[in-house]
Order: sequence, then structure tokens, then C-alpha cells
Amino acid sequence: EPEVTQTPSHQVTQMGQEVILRCVPISNHLYFYWYRQILGQKVEFLVSFYNNEISEKSEIFDDQFSVERPDGSNFTLKIRSTKLEDSAMYFCASSETRGGVNTEAFFGQGTRLTVV
Amino acid sequence: AQKITQTQPGMFVQEKEAVTLDCTYDTSDPSYGLFWYKQPSSGEMIFLIYQGSYDQQNATEGRYSLNFQKARKSANLVISASQLGDSAMYFCAMREATTDSWGKFQFGAGTQVVVTP
Repeated sequence: EPEVTQTPSHQVTQMGQEVILRCVPISNHLYFYWYRQILGQKVEFLVSFYNNEISEKSEIFDDQFSVERPDGSNFTLKIRSTKLEDSAMYFCASSETRGGVNTEAFFGQGTRLTVV
Repeated sequence: AQKITQTQPGMFVQEKEAVTLDCTYDTSDPSYGLFWYKQPSSGEMIFLIYQGSYDQQNATEGRYSLNFQKARKSANLVISASQLGDSAMYFCAMREATTDSWGKFQFGAGTQVVVTP
């Protein structure tokens, strides 16, 4: 069964450092998403990406964050200068469609980011 | 405004009993999908069941069924014959097909289920 793969599964970084979280979406999917979940809280939307550009972003996704699809298979989330409050689980998701009736989307297993 | 509401922050259920997790949603889009995910303590999101807004029948997947009441905008998850391994956080989520949503998931706050022997 196809799956979304995220690496690393855990990352510990010092405050102020840059981190890159990687995702390999399912190969025929066109829509890509990043979400984050601070421990014990709800899952929050960060950004959606389609046709090599950001299609929607939330208030959380400020200038510290960026996404790209550098090589047609990987989908990365970069946090330029990490803060303690960036500590969270980050989920990547991908979908063949943008939602609606035929609307299944797949989540990766998550990257747990800890900023110290 | 909250798109997905889960009113039960936590529930205890005895092994082998059934449990219903409530979810109500808010959308004006006629085309949408409703999802339930399980998140064990290890953190990954495990897809359980999906219901499309045009589906005539309630979705079922093994011990999971979705009680879809479109007019009431509710999509409750029923877990039958609970097992100890069902202890987890359960999230209800929705994807809409409106042009400005780009298919993002909108999640409820979750319900923590604890199954007791």
C-alpha cells in the first residue's frame, strides 16, 4: 500500500538553528500539506502546496517557515531559526485531489521536533 | 468559527463494550469528506474511516462505523467490542471542496479514549 514517508522521526535541535523536515509524498499525488501538533493539543494546519507553489497558509506559517519540492519527489518544511515553541509533532500529508467527494488523503508518521 | 466540534474531551470504556465518539461539523460546501483518525501515545495518525458527503450509506471498517446524519451535521464514530489497544486519542476531521480551502484538513480537538479491563 502506498504511504507517505517522513524523515527524521525525531529531531532535537538548539534554539536558533535551522531545521529541515523531509517528506516523500505518494508518487501520483498533487496536493501536499504540512500540519503541526503541539503536545496534547489539536492538529493545526500550516500550509498547502500545489503546482510548485504555496496555495494556502495559516497564520502560524510566518517568515520563519518555508516549503519546497526540490526534486519532484521530496517535500520539505524548513524552519529558519527555531524557537522553543516550535517543539511539536509535524505531519506531512498528500492527496491526489484537493478535497471533496473523492477525498482520501494520507498522513506520514510524523517528525517529533524538540527545540532545546 | 469552529468547523469541527468534538465535545467529549475524554471517555472511559470497558473492554468489549461499544463506544460512540461525537463529532459535529459546520460547512456550507455540498461536497466534503469526513474522517476519523486514531493517535496512539506514539504519535502517528492512523486513518480509521472516511465518509463522503454524497455517500448514501454509513461507512464501516471492521469494528469502526460512522453514524452519518447529514441534516444534523454529525459524524459520530462507533467502536464496537472495544479492545485495550483502542486506548488512544481520536480525531474527527473534515476536508471541503471549496476553491479557497485547497483541501486542507480541519481537525477537532480530539477525544481521549481509555479502555479498561
